[in-house]
Amino acid sequence: EDKVVQSPLSLVVHEGDTVTLNCSYEVTNFRSLLWYKQEKKAPTFLFMLTSSGIEKKSGRLSSILDKKELFSILNITATQTGDSAVYLCASSGNTPLVFGKGTRLSVIA
Amino acid sequence: GAVVSQHPSWVICKSGTSVKIECRSLDFQATTMFWYRQFPKKSLMLMATSNEGSKATYEQGVEKDKFLINHASLTLSTLTVTSAHPEDSSFYICSARDWASTQQYFGPGTRLTVL
Repeated sequence: EDKVVQSPLSLVVHEGDTVTLNCSYEVTNFRSLLWYKQEKKAPTFLFMLTSSGIEKKSGRLSSILDKKELFSILNITATQTGDSAVYLCASSGNTPLVFGKGTRLSVIA
Repeated sequence: GAVVSQHPSWVICKSGTSVKIECRSLDFQATTMFWYRQFPKKSLMLMATSNEGSKATYEQGVEKDKFLINHASLTLSTLTVTSAHPEDSSFYICSARDWASTQQYFGPGTRLTVL
């Protein structure tokens, strides 16, 4: 059975801190790993990763995939209160996206 | 980027009524659309996969007679929650897979509250 596991489940940091969110996956015929940010509505797309070792960056956010270890991390540097959200990791393979339970990030001033 | 819309955004209904939620891909064609359900502070749970012109494929434990899905065109899928009950109250999110890029895009979600 395909599964995606995220850690930690919840995280509270101060503004300016750097955080690393983890995602491990077991997916048959892996195609891609995706990161989403969810605030009050539906998830918004952050990154799609298909190749190992290639970092994707968008501003203060970056992500990398390790296909050998079946693992991905999402880094956020110089966190801001606006980064507070649930970050979801999802993987696609033979089935539609399989989501992890998410990491709830709270950034306090 | 690609846009997926959902209508309505929020609906409150009485127990026993049926509610229809629409999901549209606005600037791309989606041969496949997915319906997810999300409980408070939980992750998304896939309910069904909807393929244009054919019957939807439901995940285990999802009642197909309760959650009717129709995918009549390449840009529209509908989810009808029949005889809704309070336990159906949830956040329903659709996503559409762009047939050209295979990228999946999410709608903004519909919050259903059944009294």
